Amino acid sequence: AQKITQTQPGMFVQEKEAVTLDCTYDTSDPSYGLFWYKQPSSGEMIFLIYQGSYDQQNATEGRYSLNFQKARKSANLVISASQLGDSAMYFCAMREFSYSGAGSYQLTFGKGTKLSVIP
Amino acid sequence: ETGVTQTPRHLVMGMTNKKSLKCEQHLGHNAMYWYKQSAKKPLELMFVYSLEERVENNSVPSRFSPECPNSSHLFLHLHTLQPEDSALYLCASSQATGTSSYNSPLHFGNGTRLTVT
Repeated sequence: AQKITQTQPGMFVQEKEAVTLDCTYDTSDPSYGLFWYKQPSSGEMIFLIYQGSYDQQNATEGRYSLNFQKARKSANLVISASQLGDSAMYFCAMREFSYSGAGSYQLTFGKGTKLSVIP
Repeated sequence: ETGVTQTPRHLVMGMTNKKSLKCEQHLGHNAMYWYKQSAKKPLELMFVYSLEERVENNSVPSRFSPECPNSSHLFLHLHTLQPEDSALYLCASSQATGTSSYNSPLHFGNGTRLTVT
């Protein structure tokens, strides 16, 4: 079973509008962290934002915020005031903390959502 | 300039060739990773090194051979590859010890686009 599900293969948003990218996850581990990455066409994966399973507040980083609904196991990324440079692939990833060894370090990724910002 | 540098950016090789991918990180991290990114598939973890010791190998075929001579450098040696091995190979690093290791993100390089003919 997939641990990270991103149901939107592609999304369009008008410049300056807000957009929400969906991510649901599957884990029985009470301790985990959720990460969002952006991958422009250049290929580099750029870290955007982190949410821990015990964090009381939703994470925010500049124009990025995370709508974390723990009971629903969702961690949606919200991008406010979209810019043309936001056009890229966006990946949701999870780290489960109960693993030992390298399993405690690795990230499991979803298939990604391609965001296109329209001028 | 990215803290993780991968070379080459593009590589085309025949199935009988031997080549190596190189990764270098300048972030002072102590864990390094190889991921494979194929079209329409999630990133697949191939290898993890922590403190220069390989700690995970996700059943990767033996035609891929990693090497981590020190905490800043990581190689992926390739030999007798198959066309289905064509993909983007991403190197990453992170801090894998200490109290902040759980929320430590992976920092990725730009990747090597590999084409096997």
